[in-house]
Amino acid sequence: AQTVTQSQPEMSVQEAETVTLSCTYDTSESDYYLFWYKQPPSRQMILVIRQEAYKQQNATENRFSVNFQKAAKSFSLKISDSQLGDAAMYFCAYRGGGADGLTFGKGTHLIIQP
Amino acid sequence: DAGVIQSPRHEVTEMGQEVTLRCKPISGHNSLFWYRQTMMRGLELLIYFNNNVPIDDSGMPEDRFSAKMPNASFSTLKIQPSEPRDSAVYFCASSLSSRGLGYTFGSGTRLTVV
Repeated sequence: AQTVTQSQPEMSVQEAETVTLSCTYDTSESDYYLFWYKQPPSRQMILVIRQEAYKQQNATENRFSVNFQKAAKSFSLKISDSQLGDAAMYFCAYRGGGADGLTFGKGTHLIIQP
Repeated sequence: DAGVIQSPRHEVTEMGQEVTLRCKPISGHNSLFWYRQTMMRGLELLIYFNNNVPIDDSGMPEDRFSAKMPNASFSTLKIQPSEPRDSAVYFCASSLSSRGLGYTFGSGTRLTVV
């Protein structure tokens, strides 16, 4: 079974700084997809960014970018110019090419210091 | 697009009572997922449907849990009888069958069983 590990239960960063959240996963598949979701206190799960494993180019969405290292099975999220509204739980998720369910990590609580 | 709609937003019930959670997926999405979120176990996939047909219910914790999808626009998750350990946030999510796309989550139902 696939597993997703987020080794940082909590991270804190100053507003306007850059922060990187770590995620590693374990899989024997070659075709899969990776996601980062944001969960603010409202508890809504919001898709931040996604990456197809067959693509070598790292995905970018405005201030959010990923560092996808397929061989190392690593998928980190970089948030540039952190804003107060970025404060939330961030979940890394895996979706295999042969399955429909998402496997989530335990999450990282991101705190933005004003 | 109204998004994935879940009801109720909050539910408090007594142990032993029947609880029914409801979900309306995004129109046109053909996959629907039920997740449970707790502090201890994180986000767990309970069951998912493709084209209204249950595909994998291996995550359903016990026979007390059941889920139905009578049509493409409605699904229910029922717990009978409920127990205090069922207290959690229950999310419904929907997606197109293309695995490269992430899910769209509802706002969740916070269930408290006393």
